[in-house]
Amino acid sequence: AQKVTQAQTEISVVEKEDVTLDCVYETRDTTYYLFWYKQPPSGELVFLIRRNSFDEQNEISGRYSWNFQKSTSSFNFTITASQVVDSAVYFCALFMNRDDKIIFGKGTRLHILP
Amino acid sequence: DTAVSQTPKYLVTQMGNDKSIKCEQNLGHDTMYWYKQDSKKFLKIMFSYNNKELIINETVPNRFSPKSPDKAHLNLHINSLELGDSAVYFCASSPSARLGTGKRSPLHFGNGTRLTVT
Repeated sequence: AQKVTQAQTEISVVEKEDVTLDCVYETRDTTYYLFWYKQPPSGELVFLIRRNSFDEQNEISGRYSWNFQKSTSSFNFTITASQVVDSAVYFCALFMNRDDKIIFGKGTRLHILP
Repeated sequence: DTAVSQTPKYLVTQMGNDKSIKCEQNLGHDTMYWYKQDSKKFLKIMFSYNNKELIINETVPNRFSPKSPDKAHLNLHINSLELGDSAVYFCASSPSARLGTGKRSPLHFGNGTRLTVT
């Protein structure tokens, strides 16, 4: 069955520290799609990244980077030099064309302390 | 211009009432969804429609009935509201139900409707 596990329910770090949010997924498909979304305290859902299973390169966007490891079925998200504005709930998600729907993990609440 | 708009933003009502949440998208997308986010922040799909046709209907009580008058609208009607229905409901749209190559999010979310049942 397809599933997304975010084992870290809540993380607190001091500003400027690096932090990694873990995501482990399960799927039987060879083609699938992974995402990260951010939900700040204001409540809207903000798209951060999409990773197609057939892409080769890992992604970096400013202070954000993502590490996709097929061998361990993981798609981890690292924030470098964290800032208070990074405080939010972060969701990892999985999509297969066979299912026609995005499945979300339970989210990790990240607190960046000043 | 708002791409996916939901109304109302907040909805407070009493148990037993019937209420509707409206959703409209101006992106020309074929597929629309309703997601429910509970108090623990868990996001779960409820329904999806593709060109006004029901595609996904997860295990949702019959009191919840989606209505799609055209492909730009997907409204959610809830009968006999219960305390456990209190949640944030997100509408979303997608160009199609299938993904290929590309780097964009398949889903465009509305800003959510916070429903409180007292």
